[in-house]
Amino acid sequence: EVQLVESGGGLVQPGRSLKLSCAASGFTFSNYYMAWVRQAPKKGLEWVATISTSGSRTYYPDSVKGRFTISRDNAKSSLYLQMNSLKSEDTATYYCARSDRYNYPFAYWGQGTLVTVSS
Amino acid sequence: DIQMTQSPSFLSASVGDRVTINCKASQNINKYLNWYQQKLGEAPKRLIYNTNNLQTGIPSRFSGSGSGTDYTLTISSLQPEDFATYFCLQHNSFPWTFGGGTKLELK
Repeated sequence: EVQLVESGGGLVQPGRSLKLSCAASGFTFSNYYMAWVRQAPKKGLEWVATISTSGSRTYYPDSVKGRFTISRDNAKSSLYLQMNSLKSEDTATYYCARSDRYNYPFAYWGQGTLVTVSS
Repeated sequence: DIQMTQSPSFLSASVGDRVTINCKASQNINKYLNWYQQKLGEAPKRLIYNTNNLQTGIPSRFSGSGSGTDYTLTISSLQPEDFATYFCLQHNSFPWTFGGGTKLELK
């Protein structure tokens, strides 16, 4: 069974940094593209970052490019999101998501971790 | 960026009804369109990928269609567990973008 468990969320002041983690199990982690998706309170979904199987390719929307960095450790079956220069508009639940075997996105999701950016 | 316009935003329906939810892309997305269901307090779940491919384990009352810029999710006969919010996602080109969501409520 595919399991994705996010951690690392919490309350952080504007301008500070936070690193999220996602522990994967139930599949061969190194075979799949992975991603982060966020959802602001009572709002819609926003794609945040995607990383290739080896980690050599990463993709971001303009809203986080240059501030967020996605990475992975295939030996530990773990995905990460380093978030710097946080803004109030980054407040959201952050979901870790796995692609399917064709690399089509967001086939499986974790339960999410809440990040609140506030002074 | 490709904009995804989802309609309606809210939909009231009864058990047994047939309902359709639409997503219109601002440009051709070549059928790279997924549908997701999200229940309150839960993570989204993928229902359909690439317009009309049913995710394993999803009931056959869910179906998808479309091409070019216009796509539709159809639920043929609503069941009590189908009342939720639905989102579309285009993954034809970066940045991947979601529709604004459709909240399906019990009439």
